[in-house]
Amino acid sequence: AQKITQTQPGMFVQEKEAVTLDCTYDTSDPSYGLFWYKQPSSGEMIFLIYQGSYDQQNATEGRYSLNFQKARKSANLVISASQLGDSAMYFCAMREAIDMRFGAGTRLTVKP
Amino acid sequence: NAGVTQTPKFQVLKTGQSMTLQCAQDMNHNSMYWYRQDPGMGLRLIYYSASEGTTDKGEVPNGYNVSRLNKREFSLRLESAAPSQTSVYFCASSETPGLSNQPQHFGDGTRLSIL
Repeated sequence: AQKITQTQPGMFVQEKEAVTLDCTYDTSDPSYGLFWYKQPSSGEMIFLIYQGSYDQQNATEGRYSLNFQKARKSANLVISASQLGDSAMYFCAMREAIDMRFGAGTRLTVKP
Repeated sequence: NAGVTQTPKFQVLKTGQSMTLQCAQDMNHNSMYWYRQDPGMGLRLIYYSASEGTTDKGEVPNGYNVSRLNKREFSLRLESAAPSQTSVYFCASSETPGLSNQPQHFGDGTRLSIL
């Protein structure tokens, strides 16, 4: 069964605007971690931000923040003040135990 | 600052050939992983090694074998390559198994084509 769902195959945003990338997940384990990775066209996977299931506050890392709604099982990534260099694939992932499950990804394109 | 190093970066094989993808990390991490990435499907776990001396199957292990040579190195072997194994392969490592707050650090990937 699909554990991580990213419903937006592609998104466009104007430079300097904010954008939200959606992610929903499915788990019955009370302890889990949620991650977002960025994959630019060069192909490497870059870790962006982490949210733990017991964290009371939403995670933030610079221009990245995670809108964590535990009851709705959603962990949306918010990128503020988009830059051209933000154009990439973005993957949401969940870790319950040792392995990590990834969503299918969202391709973000930032327009000048 | 090497992090996770994968070799080779590109490879073309014929159906039935064998090959080994190499992965090494210099972060003293305990856990290592092999993923494949296919278009539209995100990353799927092939095998992982929670610690030196242990390996376990992931979501898509068929057609692959792995070896955790030492704490640094984790190799993935295709014994008889098939066109369905054409993919981009990523190796990753993380500090501690079983703790959900540990991010995985990825290599740059190996682009493998099977003709």
